[in-house]
Amino acid sequence: GQQVMQIPQYQHVQEGEDFTTYCNSSTTLSNIQWYKQRPGGHPVFLIQLVKSGEVKKQKRLTFQFGEAKKNSSLHITATQTTDVGTYFCAGNRGSTLGRLYFGRGTQLTVWP
Amino acid sequence: DTAVSQTPKYLVTQMGNDKSIKCEQNLGHDTMYWYKQDSKKFLKIMFSYNNKELIINETVPNRFSPKSPDKAHLNLHINSLELGDSAVYFCASSTDRWNTEAFFGQGTRLTVV
Repeated sequence: GQQVMQIPQYQHVQEGEDFTTYCNSSTTLSNIQWYKQRPGGHPVFLIQLVKSGEVKKQKRLTFQFGEAKKNSSLHITATQTTDVGTYFCAGNRGSTLGRLYFGRGTQLTVWP
Repeated sequence: DTAVSQTPKYLVTQMGNDKSIKCEQNLGHDTMYWYKQDSKKFLKIMFSYNNKELIINETVPNRFSPKSPDKAHLNLHINSLELGDSAVYFCASSTDRWNTEAFFGQGTRLTVV
């Protein structure tokens, strides 16, 4: 079954609005990664979070890893049309080497 | 220079045919993967190889057979193609099997008619 749940599945925002996508795992993760896939493109790595409660920023993007290492979020401040795409979280359970559990992704549409 | 390259980019074929997708990475990575992305964008791992050794074999029909002649190449052969095999197949690689950053190829859009 689905190992990592991600919501929402779709999000439509006006340019300038904020956007957040959430991931939740039923089991503790050793780390979590975030990827972005542009329409017609391939997933591109954004960041990896490892520590409990970790927060990392990349310009307008803020990534958080929960204290229990079971959930994570990606927040985009003041979206731009270049942010359009599908954002995936991917969790790694240390006991299952080589297997990333991808969430179903959040498809973000930004209207100008 | 393309880090992870897969060919072909598009593949349209009839049911029952056999086809192969090739993947090569020039990053010196030890681990390579095949993922299937369905029409709803769900990314599901199919296989993973580490230094030519199969380490992950998800519940995939045995019509799908991966082959890794060396650690820089991971090919996917599919026998007796079915309509439900239509999807985008992504090859990816990472430094090692402990789930460091994965680098994805451009994808192969397979359409079975």
